[in-house]
Amino acid sequence: EAGVAQSPRYKIIEKRQSVAFWCNPISGHATLYWYQQILGQGPKLLIQFQNNGVVDDSQLPKDRFSAERLKGVDSTLKIQPAKLEDSAVYLCASSLALTGDEAFFGQGTRLTVV
Amino acid sequence: RKEVEQDPGPFNVPEGATVAFNCTYSNSASQSFFWYRQDCRKEPKLLMSVYSSGNEDGRFTAQLNRASQYISLLIRDSKLSDSATYLCVVDSVSGTYKYIFGTGTRLKVLA
Repeated sequence: EAGVAQSPRYKIIEKRQSVAFWCNPISGHATLYWYQQILGQGPKLLIQFQNNGVVDDSQLPKDRFSAERLKGVDSTLKIQPAKLEDSAVYLCASSLALTGDEAFFGQGTRLTVV
Repeated sequence: RKEVEQDPGPFNVPEGATVAFNCTYSNSASQSFFWYRQDCRKEPKLLMSVYSSGNEDGRFTAQLNRASQYISLLIRDSKLSDSATYLCVVDSVSGTYKYIFGTGTRLKVLA
């Protein structure tokens, strides 16, 4: 079974530039998550989709971050404009259902903002 | 109080030792609990789920204490390969359903 695919693996941008990350979840998984993990911290949920609807985006900095999951499969996360404090690993995860199921993670995108 | 709290460590233990981590959670209505393992510069992977009756998988034992609102992970006969960060995950049932991660406990097993 193919896992969660993410791209790119690494990205270096200057502050105030834009960047986009892509995620393809495990086939059939209805729930998709984007997490931000800053070095030395646990993953923090940014946004959670159930199919193509947003379930939770309470911790997404909406003035600069946006995400979409068209057709309930692939998802993109965008940052515009980026700040230095956005340097982190962005992890995409998916699970079969919304409640109680294991979340499977992609390898993440390591973003460095300089 | 944080929703999920863990001692960040590091816990430095010799090979063969037994080590235990605790994780406290604030929401008494939480129903799902997990331990994930994260190796350096890798993604988190599920180690084990934590059930009300406890869960054992080889050298690993997870327990849930609802009265005191904590889960624990016990590792017996530690191996060098157990060196990693162990993340506690608890579901949040306040408002929308989601998983909350702790900051992780770092374990170093020494030769």
